[in-house]
Amino acid sequence: ILNVEQSPQSLHVQEGDSTNFTCSFPSSNFYALHWYRWETAKSPEALFVMTLNGDEKKKGRISATLNTKEGYSYLYIKGSQPEDSATYLCASLMDSNYQLIWGAGTKLIIKP
Amino acid sequence: KAGVTQTPRYLIKTRGQQVTLSCSPISGHRSVSWYQQTPGQGLQFLFEYFSETQRNKGNFPGRFSGRQFSNSRSEMNVSTLELGDSALYLCASSFGWNTEAFFGQGTRLTVV
Repeated sequence: ILNVEQSPQSLHVQEGDSTNFTCSFPSSNFYALHWYRWETAKSPEALFVMTLNGDEKKKGRISATLNTKEGYSYLYIKGSQPEDSATYLCASLMDSNYQLIWGAGTKLIIKP
Repeated sequence: KAGVTQTPRYLIKTRGQQVTLSCSPISGHRSVSWYQQTPGQGLQFLFEYFSETQRNKGNFPGRFSGRQFSNSRSEMNVSTLELGDSALYLCASSFGWNTEAFFGQGTRLTVV
């Protein structure tokens, strides 16, 4: 059984604070790891697609790291803002099939 | 360029009926994936099509089927609807299976 686990399930963070959360995925046959942000009443939107062990990607205040050997990725948000409130989803792609396996998401709520 | 378009946005059906949902991908995208999302659940993969061929199928009963046309537009059909089929159905398109996915706004199906 292939599972992608995300933790924590939800997170309340004070505006201005930095935060991070985790995505764990099967390390065997790994091909790519995707991060998406899903705001209420909108569609999921891609943040990063990462493939290389040790890779680090950044988009504004959001960054992500990848460890393919141990099967985890961290997403960091620096100086959280109210517009960062969303559910953050990760998904793992293996090189043996054509489907993304999704985690259940981390719901982030920024308190003003 | 136009994003992924799903129609209809909302649908109410009664048990036992069938329903067809439509997805028009971004121009040039040949891969279309379908997902089901229910409250408290992550995205559950239904199937993925590439160049009119179903490459992978998730763990859903045979009542769920799909197809893709030569212009990459895709349809999903659910026959003999059950109350538990009430969900948000999302489709996503991409250039290929290893690139970021772009999501439509979804079709919210309610079965009564």
